[in-house]
Parts: sequence; C-alpha cells; structure tokens
Amino acid sequence: KAGVTQTPRYLIKTRGQQVTLSCSPISGHRSVSWYQQTPGQGLQFLFEYFSETQRNKGNFPGRFSGRQFSNSRSEMNVSTLELGDSALYLCASSLRGGNSYEQYFGPGTRLTVT
Amino acid sequence: SQQGEEDPQALSIQEGENATMNCSYKTSINNLQWYRQNSGRGLVHLILIRSNEREKHSGRLRVTLDTSKKSSSLLITASRAADTASYFCASGSSMDSSYKLIFGSGTRLLVRP
Repeated sequence: KAGVTQTPRYLIKTRGQQVTLSCSPISGHRSVSWYQQTPGQGLQFLFEYFSETQRNKGNFPGRFSGRQFSNSRSEMNVSTLELGDSALYLCASSLRGGNSYEQYFGPGTRLTVT
Repeated sequence: SQQGEEDPQALSIQEGENATMNCSYKTSINNLQWYRQNSGRGLVHLILIRSNEREKHSGRLRVTLDTSKKSSSLLITASRAADTASYFCASGSSMDSSYKLIFGSGTRLLVRP
C-alpha cells in the first residue's frame, strides 16, 4: 500500500497570503489528523476528520481550517498568514480514527512565511 | 499546556549501549504510543501500550507504563547509529470524547558510531 502523501513538500509564502495543503491518506483509512510542528511549541494537534466530519479541533485560531472529501483526502487552509505560522505541517491517517489506533504520518509540508 | 514532558531532552550514547527515554503525561489515558522522527520528516509509529498493560516488547524496544505515576519509558537496547532520531511519546486520552493524541516534547537521541 502507498503511504500517506502530502503536497506540496515545501512552500514559501508572504505574510497576509493564504495557503492550502493537501493530504492523501493510506487507502482504506477514513481518519485524517493534522499537526503543526515548530521548534518552540513542538507537535500540536490541529484537527481530525473522519468520514468528512471534523471530530475534534485543537487550540488554533479560526484562520486554520480544514475539510475532508468523500475519498478521505483532506486539505487544510491557513488564511492571512503570519510569520509564526512557519512550521512543518504533518498529516496522519488512521484506520478508524480516535486515539486508540496507531497513526501513519506523511512526510510533511514545510511552510515558510516571509 | 496539555503537552506531555519527556526527559532527557537530548541523549548521546555510544553504539551498542542502551538508551532510555522517559515520558510523563497529564490525563487519564486509553493508551500510550511512541513515535520516531528522523530529522524534519514524518513520524513513524514504534509501539502502542494500552492502559491495562505494564510492559511491552517489540524487537529491541521495551516500553513500560505506570498509570499511577502517569509515566512511561522507552528502552532501546543495543543501539545502532541508525537509531539516531527524535523520539516522541503520545498519550491517547480517555477523558470526554477527545480523539486527539497529545505528544510529548520529544527526546533527541544521538548514537555515536
């Protein structure tokens, strides 16, 4: 089976712009979670989607949003980018979601905001 | 912060030695998971231990869980240079309807050849 894929792998944006990141989960996995990783804050949970529904959301401002499509692919969007949004954004898929199952991570999208 | 704590933050050992990393978490859990991350890449799942288990083995990995102390440890035996990576624990809460994993701050392991 192919692993979790994320596109693009690297991205440079300017403050105030918006960005959309994409994640394709492992075939058959219905849950997709997003995480932000920075040197200062570590790995922080953004949100989880299961069967096109957002099941849980982390403590991030409304500028961060996401969605999931019927084929389980997911996108996350960040509007009005700030310098502090520079981070590695990781997507993870899981068979059934929740926190009782191992998550399979993609390679991440490295976002740099200038 | 909900984030768990790990110690040490960094660990440097010689190839062949054992490496022990500790993790503390804050809430009641369903399970505790350990992940490895190679420099700036995605995380790889290593092992999952359920709240009713005390010890689990997988190859050179040994994980213990003490729910009374809200702590876990990961032991890597006979370390190799390829084990150089950051290691994260992640707790799966059993409270409310939370579905998220809460990651610790990580331990950076350097295995010197």
